[in-house]
Amino acid sequence: DTGVSQDPRHKITKRGQNVTFRCDPISEHNRLYWYRQTLGQGPEFLTYFQNEAQLEKSRLLSDRFSAERPKGSFSTLEIQRTEQGDSAMYLCASSLKAVGGGQQQETQYFGPGTRLLVL
Amino acid sequence: AQSVAQPEDQVNVAEGNPLTVKCTYSVSGNPYLFWYVQYPNRGLQFLLKYITGDNLVKGSYGFEAEFNKSQTSFHLKKPSALVSDSALYFCASPGGGKIIFGKGTRLHILP
Repeated sequence: DTGVSQDPRHKITKRGQNVTFRCDPISEHNRLYWYRQTLGQGPEFLTYFQNEAQLEKSRLLSDRFSAERPKGSFSTLEIQRTEQGDSAMYLCASSLKAVGGGQQQETQYFGPGTRLLVL
Repeated sequence: AQSVAQPEDQVNVAEGNPLTVKCTYSVSGNPYLFWYVQYPNRGLQFLLKYITGDNLVKGSYGFEAEFNKSQTSFHLKKPSALVSDSALYFCASPGGGKIIFGKGTRLHILP
């Protein structure tokens, strides 16, 4: 399978613990995105990388959240001191920078998501 | 600001009948519009996108969408629904580096 992969698929943790999620994008894709989806809502943007550079962060990404993409390949999303409100599906997507086209024309391909439950 | 709206939380269609899932948009500049589908406990799958050109866009699994500039709509359609089409459908539009999603429409295909 050469699609976007995410690990783990499910995570249950206690409030106050730290958690880390991993995303492996499609191999040739240079842009990587993180979204959060709560029940009954569409995904909401958290942050994105172009290669190893983090270019945009949402106001949703509080200081307890940090994302990295150190070598421009896989990415990690860490949540420190988890709260019950962090319970959600965390989705990763990747896209390939279009030649001659703008970023808005690119198709983002999504992974299966990591479902987080904070007790 | 970019936004998309899906006016229906749920749509029920009998198997074999045509289906339509509605989306309206409000974007500045050229509209780029996407449809994604989400099956239970799965990530989002790309169905189709409108960038420019023909107003009727064909996508995966027999779906198509019609771009209507005067009505600022981008409705998803399929001529004959399958039970396996039952899922959550999202209309979306890019805003800068991110995609802005609608709230989603749950499609139920009744056997």
